[in-house]
Amino acid sequence: AQTVTQSQPEMSVQEAETVTLSCTYDTSESDYYLFWYKQPPSRQMILVIRQEAYKQQNATENRFSVNFQKAAKSFSLKISDSQLGDAAMYFCAYRYNNNDMRFGAGTRLTVKP
Amino acid sequence: EAQVTQNPRYLITVTGKKLTVTCSQNMNHEYMSWYRQDPGLGLRQIYYSMNVEVTDKGDVPEGYKVSRKEKRNFPLILESPSPNQTSLYFCASSRLGDNEQFFGPGTRLTVL
Repeated sequence: AQTVTQSQPEMSVQEAETVTLSCTYDTSESDYYLFWYKQPPSRQMILVIRQEAYKQQNATENRFSVNFQKAAKSFSLKISDSQLGDAAMYFCAYRYNNNDMRFGAGTRLTVKP
Repeated sequence: EAQVTQNPRYLITVTGKKLTVTCSQNMNHEYMSWYRQDPGLGLRQIYYSMNVEVTDKGDVPEGYKVSRKEKRNFPLILESPSPNQTSLYFCASSRLGDNEQFFGPGTRLTVL
């Protein structure tokens, strides 16, 4: 069964600095999707960034980028120029072929002013 | 506005009192699913549905029921709630073939 591991329960970053959140996953499939979701105190699940496994190029969305290492089954999220509004719980997720989405346990990010 | 709605947003109930959490989407999505979120465990899938009248178990289906009589609605039913079902519940939907899911706002359930 596919599993997703986030080894950092909590992280903190200084405002305007860069932080990287780690995620590893286990799968025997070759074509799948990976996601990072942000959950602020409002509890809403907000898609931050998505990566298709067949694409070698790392996805980027403004200040958010990923480092996708398919062979290592690693999918880290880099947040540049951190802002106070980035403080939230971040979930890494995996999905294959319309099946259920597997989530990691989450990383709580604190941004210090 | 494209959205997934859930009701109620907050619910406190007592052990054994049947309850239903409704989920509705206005995007004509075929796929709908229910998750529960618990500290240290992330989100875990309870049930999912690929289309009307087609439902299947996820990772943690015990104590839950679902139905999919209409494409837009996917209610979650707890026939006899117990305290270990106290959790944050999310409904989500997507088009078949599209791997991005859209999430509802969540329902905070407390079972005393």
